[in-house]
Amino acid sequence: DQQVKQNSPSLSVQEGRISILNCDYTNSMFDYFLWYKKYPAEGPTFLISISSIKDKNEDGRFTVFLNKSAKHLSLHIVPSQPGDSAVYFCAASDTGANSKLTFGKGITLSVRP
Amino acid sequence: DADVTQTPRNRITKTGKRIMLECSQTKGHDRMYWYRQDPGLGLRLIYYSFDVKDINKGEISDGYSVSRQAQAKFSLSLESAIPNQTALYFCATSDLTEDYGYTFGSGTRLTVV
Repeated sequence: DQQVKQNSPSLSVQEGRISILNCDYTNSMFDYFLWYKKYPAEGPTFLISISSIKDKNEDGRFTVFLNKSAKHLSLHIVPSQPGDSAVYFCAASDTGANSKLTFGKGITLSVRP
Repeated sequence: DADVTQTPRNRITKTGKRIMLECSQTKGHDRMYWYRQDPGLGLRLIYYSFDVKDINKGEISDGYSVSRQAQAKFSLSLESAIPNQTALYFCATSDLTEDYGYTFGSGTRLTVV
């Protein structure tokens, strides 16, 4: 049973436009959400996170939105750049002492020059 | 030097052979994890350890074992490798004081022939 779902395996966007990456979750105990970015031949790296007490968190070109009632979050990248081309993983956890991250399957973003 | 170092980076082994993947970290984190990445399946947790005396199975532990030799070292063993264990393996560390984010190694690409 997949608790974190990234239903679109890939997304292609023109440089300069907005990229919107979606993520859904089923576990109502999740209260902390993160996005990781992964380039080929490298490990995933932390990008941005959001706590369930917020509905938006922004860091430069990256903004994450959280809709708790819909159990949905999205990552917006504006403007998209070719260097943003990578695999993006959505992850979630509760904030208990024994919490662990649960990852989605990832989405491959391609930004066309 | 990288915060989380995995060795080897690439390995080809034969079916039935025993193989060990090693992970060391300089982050000073207590918590360490082993994940595997397969195309279309995302990151799946194999084993995790919250301190030196703690070992826990993840969602796909069958066919694997681990050893936490020290706070900084966490190794993953395949006792008798099989072809469907061909995957990209990642070690990660975390600390509750660092917003629940993980630091990943660069990965080990394992091929079982």
